[in-house]
Amino acid sequence: RKEVEQDPGPFNVPEGATVAFNCTYSNSASQSFFWYRQDCRKEPKLLMSVYSSGNEDGRFTAQLNRASQYISLLIRDSKLSDSATYLCVVKTSYDKVIFGPGTSLSVIP
Amino acid sequence: EAGVAQSPRYKIIEKRQSVAFWCNPISGHATLYWYQQILGQGPKLLIQFQNNGVVDDSQLPKDRFSAERLKGVDSTLKIQPAKLEDSAVYLCASRMKRKSSYNEQFFGPGTRLTVL
Repeated sequence: RKEVEQDPGPFNVPEGATVAFNCTYSNSASQSFFWYRQDCRKEPKLLMSVYSSGNEDGRFTAQLNRASQYISLLIRDSKLSDSATYLCVVKTSYDKVIFGPGTSLSVIP
Repeated sequence: EAGVAQSPRYKIIEKRQSVAFWCNPISGHATLYWYQQILGQGPKLLIQFQNNGVVDDSQLPKDRFSAERLKGVDSTLKIQPAKLEDSAVYLCASRMKRKSSYNEQFFGPGTRLTVL
């Protein structure tokens, strides 16, 4: 089993739609969790951290379920500019950072 | 604040040749990572340094890949000899050492390697 797995995608959604991405991780000792965004031919950039209590940043909501080892990202009111690959990232002990394979999102006019 | 610098941005070589990549992390960032990202996949960690010491190199193909961070600042990643399957983007990232485990990784623009 891979350490971090994500929905395979791609997701093609119309503008204004709500879309959710799922991610699971295998190491129960994982300490912290993130969603990164990667635009085509660019480097990954932090979108948001994922806290145990869940957190929201504008149209983006992240949830963490430690018991199920599951992370989610919800995007409301999708914009064309949201088109990118979304990478689930898990940090274990010793600052080891593991990326999931990514889920591609295309928002269509 | 200057970001993570990498060079070269692009490199084309023939198989069995050697290649080296350079990374200069953000000033003060103790942790440095090298990732390999094959097209359509997420970044795969090759090696992680804490200052000039190796923390994790379990996924580094040590028969052909080597990396160093001699003075705990900039780092080089070398491939010798290169294979076709090494064609990928090589990303360098750095991170400040803080008590919080939620401090962000910052990535450089990457080096796109094509092996012919």
